Amino acid sequence: GQQVMQIPQYQHVQEGEDFTTYCNSSTTLSNIQWYKQRPGGHPVFLIQLVKSGEVKKQKRLTFQFGEAKKNSSLHITATQTTDVGTYFCAEYQAGTALIFGKGTTLSVSS
Amino acid sequence: EAGVTQFPSHSVIEKGQTVTLRCDPISGHDNLYWYRRVMGKEIKFLLHFVKESKQDESGMPNNRFLAERTGGTYSTLKVQPAELEDSGVYFCASSQGEREVFGQGTRLTVV
Repeated sequence: GQQVMQIPQYQHVQEGEDFTTYCNSSTTLSNIQWYKQRPGGHPVFLIQLVKSGEVKKQKRLTFQFGEAKKNSSLHITATQTTDVGTYFCAEYQAGTALIFGKGTTLSVSS
Repeated sequence: EAGVTQFPSHSVIEKGQTVTLRCDPISGHDNLYWYRRVMGKEIKFLLHFVKESKQDESGMPNNRFLAERTGGTYSTLKVQPAELEDSGVYFCASSQGEREVFGQGTRLTVV
């Protein structure tokens, strides 16, 4: 079935450094959603991208959807300790549910 | 608005016992989903209700898992008998469109 691959699995950065997580699919994605799960918490919706080449920003977070709609990235500029958590990409498949990547767990040291 | 509520937040049971998880979706949300995250792995889809009907239960691991959604409102997920590999965090989510809202999850530990 459809799989969304996400890398890296873990990333540790110093506070103030940038961070990027990538999602890739072998087939064209209809959309890509990004979620953040804080330690001990639950996935919280961040954003959805639908259009080829789309770029959206939320403060220090930049989300991109590839031109071929087969990859996406989430970039955090100048990380803060509040950015700690696991970031998941997921494709929403109409009529079924979300297909998640394995997630990237970000840790930040001050 | 009230969010998605799950109960209990934690459950520790012995292998062979039965556990029932409950999810109260956001009022008015027709879609209700169950997911599971086993430690260190991805969040995996279990099943999807539209109102009281099972739309897709292709993710259910085996017949030890039974989900119901009474009257299209709250949903229960029963595991009987529980096995060690059933341990993980069970998330419920609801939606009225493409954006799903997740509950806090139930952490199930089978010992």
